[in-house]
Amino acid sequence: GAVVSQHPSWVICKSGTSVKIECRSLDFQATTMFWYRQFPKQSLMLMATSNEGSKATYEQGVEKDKFLINHASLTLSTLTVTSAHPEDSSFYICSARGSGNTYEQYFGPGTRLTVT
Amino acid sequence: GQNIDQPTEMTATEGAIVQINCTYQTSGFNGLFWYQQHAGEAPTFLSYNVLDGLEEKGRFSSFLSRSKGYSYLLLKELQMKDSASYLCAVRPHTTTDSWGKFQFGAGTQVVVTP
Repeated sequence: GAVVSQHPSWVICKSGTSVKIECRSLDFQATTMFWYRQFPKQSLMLMATSNEGSKATYEQGVEKDKFLINHASLTLSTLTVTSAHPEDSSFYICSARGSGNTYEQYFGPGTRLTVT
Repeated sequence: GQNIDQPTEMTATEGAIVQINCTYQTSGFNGLFWYQQHAGEAPTFLSYNVLDGLEEKGRFSSFLSRSKGYSYLLLKELQMKDSASYLCAVRPHTTTDSWGKFQFGAGTQVVVTP
């Protein structure tokens, strides 16, 4: 149980275009999902907390108008990178909060974004 | 501010034991997690500590001392497949806005040699 999927697994786009990444909890309902960005050989940096039915909470320094998050249902959150630039190239990972005693996070497989 | 420190890299031979230390300074504490991450893949959960002491799970054990802001992950009987990055993550506090937020360390790359 507790499987999180992401789509696409990798994407290449041209500078100035927008890219949407989907995060789904396949076998459980996730009221809260998290979006992370990870640069090579660096740790995960939390970008925003996505709550079902409400606006996302962004971390300091993350532009909410550039990284649009929509958590429309209990199993789906989307991250749209608008007007992408080469510096947005990164590994984007979502996670969903579990509901057991540990409240651990279950991570999706990640999306590799390359902006040319 | 929030600070989580762990060594950058450790090397050990197959069959050996390796201990990865993690020290943290966070605004509050509500649990410490260890994750394993292979290159290009998502992190997978290894262990969770919220009370002081040792938690053992097969070849992996994790220890926590809250008074010292210190944890370690112990990997026993190392196998080649254990070569990966190991992330220490602290859940600093719990509020209605930040329930479940984690603060990650930079990760420790463990290299297992034959």
